[in-house]
Amino acid sequence: GAVVSQHPSWVICKSGTSVKIECRSLDFQATTMFWYRQFPKQSLMLMATSNEGSKATYEQGVEKDKFLINHASLTLSTLTVTSAHPEDSSFYICSARDSSKYNEQFFGPGTRLTVL
Amino acid sequence: KNQVEQSPQSLIILEGKNCTLQCNYTVSPFSNLRWYKQDTGRGPVSLTIMTFSENTKSNGRYTATLDADTKQSSLHITASQLSDSASYICVVSVSWGKFQFGAGTQVVVTP
Repeated sequence: GAVVSQHPSWVICKSGTSVKIECRSLDFQATTMFWYRQFPKQSLMLMATSNEGSKATYEQGVEKDKFLINHASLTLSTLTVTSAHPEDSSFYICSARDSSKYNEQFFGPGTRLTVL
Repeated sequence: KNQVEQSPQSLIILEGKNCTLQCNYTVSPFSNLRWYKQDTGRGPVSLTIMTFSENTKSNGRYTATLDADTKQSSLHITASQLSDSASYICVVSVSWGKFQFGAGTQVVVTP
């Protein structure tokens, strides 16, 4: 299957700081990428859909000014958690859609964010 | 209410035994159903994907079934191994590509 990477794999930051997470499709181009958040023992919750060259589409209840998404190229989307607070601590997972493989979504390995 | 319900929530099985996980969905219009395996602290990895016309699909020791009439799917794990310990997530895709995730079944395989 296609490979999607995330960086960093884990990050610890102080409350009030901003954190950027990168999602890359390594061997295919992805016009659409997705950002999910997963709390312990819960399922993945879609936060937003990232579209290359246009604004991201956010799910209801997700603050677009707090979770900034940039999809500047066909292989890279970034999620920036601005002014992070302890309640933002979670496992953030991205996925990338491969239109050459029947729109299959391939998931990244996830990023563990801990806000102190 | 979640449109994809999985059961059981968790289960413990002995190494070498078989087990079956269930997934019921109400998502419509249905496009396809996928089973993912998610190891702790990792992203989900696809096991199987089935469209409306497919009843069963295998991937090694994993066999998924789909009954689109009753909107039920199952994932059968044969001869379980310790490495099968993970969360198994049922994901249903609607026609326009959006995914609906189940809460997952946590499987623990013990020696």
